[in-house]
Amino acid sequence: IAGITQAPTSQILAAGRRMTLRCTQDMRHNAMYWYRQDLGLGLRLIHYSNTAGTTGKGEVPDGYSVSRANTDDFPLTLASAVPSQTSVYFCASRSGLNTEAFFGQGTRLTVV
Amino acid sequence: QQPVQSPQAVILREGEDAVINCSSSKALYSVHWYRQKHGEAPVFLMILLKGGEQKGHEKISASFNEKKQQSSLYLTASQLSYSGTYFCGTGGAYSGAGSYQLTFGKGTKLSVIP
Repeated sequence: IAGITQAPTSQILAAGRRMTLRCTQDMRHNAMYWYRQDLGLGLRLIHYSNTAGTTGKGEVPDGYSVSRANTDDFPLTLASAVPSQTSVYFCASRSGLNTEAFFGQGTRLTVV
Repeated sequence: QQPVQSPQAVILREGEDAVINCSSSKALYSVHWYRQKHGEAPVFLMILLKGGEQKGHEKISASFNEKKQQSSLYLTASQLSYSGTYFCGTGGAYSGAGSYQLTFGKGTKLSVIP
């Protein structure tokens, strides 16, 4: 089934550890996004990518990095996790500027 | 910068109507609306482009006034299945060096009760 897949589904991580959240889409979408969702704060954009080889910072990029080596994959890395990064993370993609975004099922990350 | 949504929460009885508003301090070129059920990913409802057009999805419709930098989502004759959190997203051309940024508001929690 075509779509967007995130891994892992959930993770408990010790503070200070490095973690990479994976996101893969098979729809050949140009744009990809990472959001974090926290109660009362909605969906906040962390990083985005317009197309393979380019990335940009969103509203809350500090502590996170991304890469876009190819069209399909957009991993999000936490270099040294902190408890404030406890959140639900959603990856999304879309084909163009004025098209709908498709979301992955989310990754629930707990940093202790 | 996140668009601003209002109200933050609303409780409706089945059959009642509701309006959710979304506004931005930046020029809007497109507005997206999504609905998220508890524990699930957001799901696309509709997108509105410059031109003030109104779109519909079942008994859910929306308007977009780019001059006022506002959009409204109209839910008529609400059903239990309409419960969830509604997000507006803004972005499109000229949102930053021609980027594809898509920024969401904090959401409006809608609860429909029998």
